[in-house]
Amino acid sequence: NAGVTQTPKFQVLKTGQSMTLQCAQDMNHEYMSWYRQDPGMGLRLIHYSVGAGITDQGEVPNGYNVSRSTTEDFPLRLLSAAPSQTSVYFCASRGGEAGYTFGSGTRLTVV
Amino acid sequence: GQQLNQSPQSMFIQEGEDVSMNCTSSSIFNTWLWYKQDPGEGPVLLIALYKAGELTSNGRLTAQFGITRKDSFLNISASIPSDVGIYFCAGLNNDMRFGAGTRLTVKP
Repeated sequence: NAGVTQTPKFQVLKTGQSMTLQCAQDMNHEYMSWYRQDPGMGLRLIHYSVGAGITDQGEVPNGYNVSRSTTEDFPLRLLSAAPSQTSVYFCASRGGEAGYTFGSGTRLTVV
Repeated sequence: GQQLNQSPQSMFIQEGEDVSMNCTSSSIFNTWLWYKQDPGEGPVLLIALYKAGELTSNGRLTAQFGITRKDSFLNISASIPSDVGIYFCAGLNNDMRFGAGTRLTVKP
């Protein structure tokens, strides 16, 4: 049972490039979310999903797209990377009443 | 928006001391949670609270869900060096929002 798996663990992008951060969970959880964490700050919600085919915006959605075609996968797309998107990105999932389980994060640098 | 105000921002304590931190919000939450994050890792769930007034313990950790559903506190008793880390409160409705964290340092 792998839990929540994020890939890649590290990534460096040039300004304007696009990329997809992958997130997969094997716990059959309905809810999945993407957060970013900047130094000295808590985690801010980017996008979330309450089930396959359903997504919604969080606190800081601009510059990011998501889709949820399957229960297991919830990829996060950066359309045109900007230095302000340099951050650590966490994917998380939950089922039922329990709290979210987090992946180990993707450390993204945009130069 | 659903802002969570967590305090204190940081704490420096001696091993063996008790610790208390709290979280308040202008919004009502159905569930309050407390997480701990170690360097280079994702947050790990410590305690989840599901009902207003609920008091829950997990070893040396005790947390309470405020009666108004707008606040929660976390206590750590008899701190040890491995308690070092950042503690986050989180409020959960359809989505989950986090406080800014309390950075705990424990001096042996």
